[in-house]
Amino acid sequence: QSVLTQPPSVSGAPGQRVTISCTGSSSNIGAGYDVHWYQQLPGTAPKLLIYTNVNRPSGVPDRFSGSKSGTSASLAITGLQAEDEGDYYCQSYDNSLNAFYVFGSGTRVTVL
Amino acid sequence: EVQLVESGGALVQPGGSLRLTCVASTSAFGNHEMNWVRQAPGKGLEWISYISSGGTPTFYGDSVKGRFTISRDNARNSLYLEMHVLRAEDTALYYCVRGGAAGPDVLDLWGQGTMVIVSS
Repeated sequence: QSVLTQPPSVSGAPGQRVTISCTGSSSNIGAGYDVHWYQQLPGTAPKLLIYTNVNRPSGVPDRFSGSKSGTSASLAITGLQAEDEGDYYCQSYDNSLNAFYVFGSGTRVTVL
Repeated sequence: EVQLVESGGALVQPGGSLRLTCVASTSAFGNHEMNWVRQAPGKGLEWISYISSGGTPTFYGDSVKGRFTISRDNARNSLYLEMHVLRAEDTALYYCVRGGAAGPDVLDLWGQGTMVIVSS
């Protein structure tokens, strides 16, 4: 059971906008720790997509954007493209006993 | 382009041991925190261990604490994971992951992974 909760799946037609939520608690996101997002395309290793809530690494299209508020964060994909199909994970730090880095349960994005 | 290359994954019997290695393609390896993250077949990501740039401190997830040991050799640009008393639930793709280069707690560079299968 993941510490951060994400919807199992989201879908959209090409060109549409989809959002993925990431809900945490007072020991992670709510405590002020940053949220990072990773994209895992089929058969590949995860790749950093958004860091420190809103920042895109070099090479990541501006179709991807992140936000954070309270105990939650969100990833938005605008202008959805077929190559965006894959799994997306949020990640943060957790200050509870025996915790450290925590991941979301992952969200499968399907392009219809 | 900096790369992380894992090796050492194998089929091992329950109760057995294994040592994973990750080699970085840059001597700047010694400047960065490192982690191991695993992914069981068809499942999500699970962080399992962290090591600072200098080798201490280290941290472990509850599922591996007391059985796995993370270490590094900065002179060899290498990261290790010693795994003991392996269980079926340790079956996973193990990723070597760089941390902290893009900011605190950011896992910014991932290897391609090495597969560990625990089965009799």
